[in-house]
Amino acid sequence: GDSVTQMEGPVTLSEEAFLTINCTYTATGYPSLFWYVQYPGEGLQLLLKATKADDKGSNKGFEATYRKETTSFHLEKGSVQVSDSAVYFCAQTDQGGKLIFGQGTELSVKP
Amino acid sequence: KAGVTQTPRYLIKTRGQQVTLSCSPISGHRSVSWYQQTPGQGLQFLFEYFSETQRNKGNFPGRFSGRQFSNSRSEMNVSTLELGDSALYLCASKPPGTVNTEAFFGQGTRLTVV
Repeated sequence: GDSVTQMEGPVTLSEEAFLTINCTYTATGYPSLFWYVQYPGEGLQLLLKATKADDKGSNKGFEATYRKETTSFHLEKGSVQVSDSAVYFCAQTDQGGKLIFGQGTELSVKP
Repeated sequence: KAGVTQTPRYLIKTRGQQVTLSCSPISGHRSVSWYQQTPGQGLQFLFEYFSETQRNKGNFPGRFSGRQFSNSRSEMNVSTLELGDSALYLCASKPPGTVNTEAFFGQGTRLTVV
């Protein structure tokens, strides 16, 4: 069945370091792909999205490219800040439109 | 535009009781979905409602049910609560468009079953 796998955390970085969180998916159709972020005690916020192969989603310095050939959607940011500390979820839509999430990757950024 | 609003934010219930959670979607959104988030199972889809009809359903027991009203507001009910039902319950709404469009989430309702 459809699934999403993302790298395990926690990931600990120093401020201004480069961030990569790996995400791969398996899908029977042509899903849309998303990254959501969850801050402590809150719901999920949409960070970025891509709806078809080779699309690049970007927001707040974060980027991810929909790679159909490698079934990947890795999240990157060139210079992280303490305020980026949160849990990041990669997700895809299945053919019925429901979201299938990865297990989440906790990011901790130290000053 | 107001976001997705869930009430209440926190609930404590006793095993065996039932509970009703409420969700008001973003204005103009007719699709409302519910997800359960637990440390062990992560984020799991419960069901989706569109125009007062259940359009999609996840793999949860019949104790979990929902409904949607004509104004698109939705409620989720869990009967005969079990300790394992303790979780963050998230509601999401989708704008009109394809089924693959993005979902916008509320802050969630934290349910604790004791």
